[in-house]
Amino acid sequence: AQSVTQPDIHITVSEGASLELRCNYSYGATPYLFWYVQSPGQGLQLLLKYFSGDTLVQGIKGFEAEFKRSQSSFNLRKPSVHWSDAAEYFCAVGPYSGAGSYQLTFGKGTKLSVIP
Amino acid sequence: ETGVTQTPRHLVMGMTNKKSLKCEQHLGHNAMYWYKQSAKKPLELMFVYNFKEQTENNSVPSRFSPECPNSSHLFLHLHTLQPEDSALYLCASSQDTGAGTDTQYFGPGTRLTVL
Repeated sequence: AQSVTQPDIHITVSEGASLELRCNYSYGATPYLFWYVQSPGQGLQLLLKYFSGDTLVQGIKGFEAEFKRSQSSFNLRKPSVHWSDAAEYFCAVGPYSGAGSYQLTFGKGTKLSVIP
Repeated sequence: ETGVTQTPRHLVMGMTNKKSLKCEQHLGHNAMYWYKQSAKKPLELMFVYNFKEQTENNSVPSRFSPECPNSSHLFLHLHTLQPEDSALYLCASSQDTGAGTDTQYFGPGTRLTVL
């Protein structure tokens, strides 16, 4: 069965510092990988996604992620964090076929706090 | 309005009440989803509709009853809920469910509290 592990429940960084959020997955085939961000009181917004091709993926808000098949990882990075990046970040993997549709499996999330 | 909207944003209900959550998408999508987000747990997929037909029911208790009258609207009818059902309920939509590459777009959620 597919699974997603985000080992860090909570990370705190200073504004302007670099950021890396970890994501490891277990999946039997070539995965589709996603990073979503959730600001307080909001739904999830897609940051970036990987389906195939270049393993370094650029997303919105200055984020990037690198797919490493050998490590089953898809870590999210940002070179310089802004206070507005404080939110919860979710990694997801798919697709897997349920009874009639493709579905995603989400990690538990990493909450990012930013110190001014 | 654009994107995916959900109403109400907050709902408090007793265990004997009946209420409904509403989701509307303005993206021209054909697939809609209900997720439950509880503290300390991953997002749990509850139901999937594709072209108004329910394609997934992930062992959700019958006290949750979905309805999809058309591709733009999705409801979640609630009755005789339990306190452990308190959570953020998120609606999402995508082009359809036939390709794993479709991005899901989420609404802001309804924060449900069951007393």
